[in-house]
Amino acid sequence: SQKIEQNSEALNIQEGKTATLTCNYTNYSPAYLQWYRQDPGRGPVFLLLIRENEKEKRKERLKVTFDTTLKQSLFHITASQPADSATYLCALEGNDYKLSFGAGTTVTVRA
Amino acid sequence: GAGVSQSPSNKVTEKGKDVELRCDPISGHTALYWYRQRLGQGLEFLIYFQGNSAPDKSGLPSDRFSAERTGESVSTLTIQRTQQEDSAVYLCASSLAGGFRTGELFFGEGSRLTVL
Repeated sequence: SQKIEQNSEALNIQEGKTATLTCNYTNYSPAYLQWYRQDPGRGPVFLLLIRENEKEKRKERLKVTFDTTLKQSLFHITASQPADSATYLCALEGNDYKLSFGAGTTVTVRA
Repeated sequence: GAGVSQSPSNKVTEKGKDVELRCDPISGHTALYWYRQRLGQGLEFLIYFQGNSAPDKSGLPSDRFSAERTGESVSTLTIQRTQQEDSAVYLCASSLAGGFRTGELFFGEGSRLTVL
């Protein structure tokens, strides 16, 4: 069956450090992978999309890598700030064009 | 409005009652999704509409759940004979699908359903 697994533990880091989140998938052959941010009581907000032929993508302090051999994406928040505290979700599209989400990793950045 | 709009934002109902949740997608977005998110958990896919194609209902948990969409506009998710386990936030998202692929999703703020 298809699975999307993210870090099960919440991530607590000191301001200024880099947070690294993992998204592993099974039985998907995604053309691309997406990352979203969700704040408490709000809907998810799109952050980045990385295509299968892209190794790395950056947006401001965010960096995403995509390794289709390892079936893994890494999401990095560099120079983290307390405002980065949120839950981060990865999402993949299956052959049925349905976008499925991982359970998310909650990041808390301490000042 | 510019974003996805959902109503009601909060709904408290008694077990056994029917509820109707509404989603207004972004104009021009052909793809529309409903997801359910229980407290502290991830997004659970419910149903997917894409243009005039038959909807993908594979995520609906039981026949008490149904959804309709009027063309490429408003969608309604109906839960009949609500149960306490239906308590969750119901999220709607729309997308300007490119070709056969879904692009980024734009989510509404959700409808929080509490079944007493």
